[in-house]
Amino acid sequence: DQQVKQNSPSLSVQEGRISILNCDYTNSMFDYFLWYKKYPAEGPTFLISISSIKDKNEDGRFTVFLNKSAKHLSLHIVPSQPGDSAVYFCAASGGNGNKLVFGAGTILRVKS
Amino acid sequence: DAGVTQSPTHLIKTRGQQVTLRCSPKSGHDTVSWYQQALGQGPQFIFQYYEEEERQRGNFPDRFSGHQFPNYSSELNVNALLLGDSALYLCASSSLATSGRVTDTQYFGPGTRLTVL
Repeated sequence: DQQVKQNSPSLSVQEGRISILNCDYTNSMFDYFLWYKKYPAEGPTFLISISSIKDKNEDGRFTVFLNKSAKHLSLHIVPSQPGDSAVYFCAASGGNGNKLVFGAGTILRVKS
Repeated sequence: DAGVTQSPTHLIKTRGQQVTLRCSPKSGHDTVSWYQQALGQGPQFIFQYYEEEERQRGNFPDRFSGHQFPNYSSELNVNALLLGDSALYLCASSSLATSGRVTDTQYFGPGTRLTVL
């Protein structure tokens, strides 16, 4: 039972353009969502988060959008840079659980 | 300010053996969670420790056990290793005291790569 899904295994974007990474969830009890970036041989690095009481959160080049009715969130990176190339994980938590539930990840390649 | 640290970096064991992985949380954090990341998948929650007790557990067998020490560091023990236990084991720390919610933001260590032959 995959409660958090990232349906795009990979995404390739030109440097300077926008990268949009998508994530869908099925559990209505989730009320906090996070994005992590992971380089090879390193642990996931926290990027940005959003609470279910908001529909947008922005931090520099990174913006996360939440559409609760569609159970969908997205991460926008503008402008994309070659150093953004990594695996991006969407994660969710909430309800009576204290754990993070992760998607399978999307590999982002930013071409220069 | 040291982040989350884990040891060892890599480990090779054979089936049936036992392994202990270690984690030191970020300064100021009191809660430690362990995750298993298999190749090509996202991290999966194993269990979480706060005040030296297991607060919540994911869908992992009893072969997986843990411990948290008074200084908030933690160990993950896996008994009777199977080939399928080969994975990257990640430790994440967070603070219940300041946020009131353990999972608002968890910070991860670099992981321990376990290979079972």
